[in-house]
Amino acid sequence: SQTIHQWPATLVQPVGSPLSLECTVEGTSNPNLYWYRQAAGRGLQLLFYSVGIGQISSEVPQNLSASRPQDRQFILSSKKLLLSDSGFYLCAWSVPYAGGGREQYFGPGTRLTVT
Amino acid sequence: SQQGEEDPQALSIQEGENATMNCSYKTSINNLQWYRQNSGRGLVHLILIRSNEREKHSGRLRVTLDTSKKSSSLLITASRAADTASYFCATDGGGTGANSKLTFGKGITLSVRP
Repeated sequence: SQTIHQWPATLVQPVGSPLSLECTVEGTSNPNLYWYRQAAGRGLQLLFYSVGIGQISSEVPQNLSASRPQDRQFILSSKKLLLSDSGFYLCAWSVPYAGGGREQYFGPGTRLTVT
Repeated sequence: SQQGEEDPQALSIQEGENATMNCSYKTSINNLQWYRQNSGRGLVHLILIRSNEREKHSGRLRVTLDTSKKSSSLLITASRAADTASYFCATDGGGTGANSKLTFGKGITLSVRP
């Protein structure tokens, strides 16, 4: 069966410090991968998605970047965190589109607080 | 921009009652999905309804889709305290490659009182 891991679960970082959040998927190959951010009491904002190794699509201009160095690994990074980067970060995966619809499967999330 | 817009934003009901949540969207879709999120957790997929379907059931869940009105509803029957969570609708435009993504609404907070 497929599982998705995210770490760390919680993170408190000072403004200006770097960030690296990691997401890995097990039990599937060539998944589509997604990074979302959820502000307190708000909906999900899609940040990045990837349909293959080294292929990254950015949804909004921001202080963050993403990379996919391996098929089932997705990394969210920042060189210098801003206060506005605080939030709940969710990684998700789905099977590549095959005409039948694509559910997304979410990881447990990382709560980031920038102080 | 947000594709799905849920209504109401918050709903409080008594255990045993039915909960109805609505979602409206703006552009054509391949399918529409509903997700649930418990506080501080990741989202869990509940049900998917395709654009050529009008109604779908899964246990105590019933989803309808009206593509002419660009709207969907999620009905939870005989609600339980454990149904307390946020519920999101998400639209799938059916794209591939660089268009491969869902667009989520802002969510509905459901509280079921014991």
